[in-house]
Amino acid sequence: GAGVSQSPSNKVTEKGKDVELRCDPISGHTALYWYRQSLGQGLEFLIYFQGNSAPDKSGLPSDRFSAERTGGSVSTLTIQRTQQEDSAVYLCASSSLGVATAFGPGTRLTVL
Amino acid sequence: ILNVEQSPQSLHVQEGDSTNFTCSFPSSNFYALHWYRWETAKSPEALFVMTLNGDEKKKGRISATLNTKEGYSYLYIKGSQPEDSATYLCASTSSNTGKLIFGQGTTLQVKP
Repeated sequence: GAGVSQSPSNKVTEKGKDVELRCDPISGHTALYWYRQSLGQGLEFLIYFQGNSAPDKSGLPSDRFSAERTGGSVSTLTIQRTQQEDSAVYLCASSSLGVATAFGPGTRLTVL
Repeated sequence: ILNVEQSPQSLHVQEGDSTNFTCSFPSSNFYALHWYRWETAKSPEALFVMTLNGDEKKKGRISATLNTKEGYSYLYIKGSQPEDSATYLCASTSSNTGKLIFGQGTTLQVKP
């Protein structure tokens, strides 16, 4: 596709359940980011993938959060044992050096 | 400066006013400076990517300048309109990691 896509667009889950969020970056983009925006907050960095380098996981809030990027393309963000404070919009973005980073439409996660 | 910092945090102006915001970023290992426009309930939209000292970019009533030696960029909006109301984010890309570091944003509200 022409842009970054994310699925699902909305996810409602119960506290304690695991969720998987998917990101399809722009073809050829070497970098992929996950961010989240909690209600009333700014962009919170979660994780950064760059080519074949080890990912920068410094923004992951707890060990319940993990992400992988398969084949340098699609990425999955997994949240285990979800908590209510995990409710947020999760944004994926992709780029290559010097190119404007493109954001996906986001996944709105609601943990009941 | 170790992080990307933006000022002011928020701004309220009248329709027709011109305004500007500041983004400060680490000047060492600098590669590129990005500006984004982020409307409520939407994903951030890229406005400009600048790499060279002295760069100036323009898109309609919005323009940006870059000073890589002192580590700052200005975003200008001429003749603000209510539809300009949004959060304006800047981000710096480091040349040694390629990672995009965002500031906290400047939220602009333009009153009719």
